[in-house]
Amino acid sequence: EAGVVQSPRYKIIEKKQPVAFWCNPISGHNTLYWYRQNLGQGPELLIRYENEEAVDDSQLPKDRFSAERLKGVDSTLKIQPAELGDSAVYLCASSSGTLEAFFGQGTRLTVV
Amino acid sequence: GENVEQHPSTLSVQEGDSAVIKCTYSDSASNYFPWYKQELGKRPQLIIDIRSNVGEKKDQRIAVTLNKTAKHFSLHITETQPEDSAVYFCAATLYALNFGKGTSLLVTP
Repeated sequence: EAGVVQSPRYKIIEKKQPVAFWCNPISGHNTLYWYRQNLGQGPELLIRYENEEAVDDSQLPKDRFSAERLKGVDSTLKIQPAELGDSAVYLCASSSGTLEAFFGQGTRLTVV
Repeated sequence: GENVEQHPSTLSVQEGDSAVIKCTYSDSASNYFPWYKQELGKRPQLIIDIRSNVGEKKDQRIAVTLNKTAKHFSLHITETQPEDSAVYFCAATLYALNFGKGTSLLVTP
């Protein structure tokens, strides 16, 4: 069984440019999470989906961040425009409702 | 929301010794407490978890204990090996994982 797949693995962009990350969760997992992990810190939740519904987006900076999970499977996370402080690893995770979450490899974003 | 405190932030032990990492949480409604291991540049991987109806769980050299009254839980690694060196994160959750800041464990031969 394939794990959580994220792309791209690395992204370098100039500030003020847009960027998008893609996540394909484990098949059958109805819950999908996006986390941001700054260097030396634990992952911080940005948004949680139950199927296609965003049930917790309280930590998502909505002025520049957006996310979607249109068919309740794949998800994209977008930043527009990116700022220097957005440099981090963006992790996607999924679970089947048992709360055991499996993480993808992450996308390392560098904003210059 | 849930607030998870983790300590120590760094821990150095000699191979064969035991390592203990402790976490506290704030939301008494949290009912699931996983521990993740993250090696440099890799994804967090679940190593053990415990639910609120259990006080202790063991898997080979790794054990987790939970004290719901005091709202704290701990990870115990016995007979540590160099390959145990990594960053360990605790988390507490009712619906979504809230992570501690991590403990960098170094096991020296």
